[in-house]
Amino acid sequence: NAGVTQTPKFRILKIGQSMTLQCTQDMNHNYMYWYRQDPGMGLKLIYYSVGAGITDKGEVPNGYNVSRSTTEDFPLRLELAAPSQTSVYFCASSQGAGNQPQHFGDGTRLSIL
Amino acid sequence: RKEVEQDPGPFNVPEGATVAFNCTYSNSASQSFFWYRQDCRKEPKLLMSVYSSGNEDGRFTAQLNRASQYISLLIRDSKLSDSATYLCVVNPTGNQFYFGTGTSLTVIP
Repeated sequence: NAGVTQTPKFRILKIGQSMTLQCTQDMNHNYMYWYRQDPGMGLKLIYYSVGAGITDKGEVPNGYNVSRSTTEDFPLRLELAAPSQTSVYFCASSQGAGNQPQHFGDGTRLSIL
Repeated sequence: RKEVEQDPGPFNVPEGATVAFNCTYSNSASQSFFWYRQDCRKEPKLLMSVYSSGNEDGRFTAQLNRASQYISLLIRDSKLSDSATYLCVVNPTGNQFYFGTGTSLTVIP
């Protein structure tokens, strides 16, 4: 079972560059989430989606964009990378709404220099 | 006020000890609660959901106190493999989850 798959696992970007973090899940979950985790901090929700074609902002959406064209895929786009976006990014999915636990990918470690 | 607050620790306990963590939440309307475990440089993994009446899974017991707005995790007979960071997660309403900063546990031989 693949579960939630994130690519790449590591990436170094220069300030001002753009990139897309990929996330795909094979559990047919409707709900998907993007989080960032800074050292010593809890996970902060960036964006989430409750189904294909539907996305919404979380706590810290500035500097990011998402799309959800299929149930399986939920890419996260950084348009103009800034040092403050250096973090570990986790994608997650869940079967349903708030009472359902989330399943996480193994993360993307991103450094902006 | 933060949505979820945890004592960061670290908790250093000997093998076989019992250890308990608390987590407080600010939104009294919160409906769903979870404990996740996160190993160093790894993704969070669900440890257990927390039910209103409390629940147990082997050596792990979770409790919810709605009046005081906190949840707790009790680990009995600690093992070396229990060393990790334990994250408290609360769903106040709708589709957003709030994570605590985590409590670090090290079990010492």
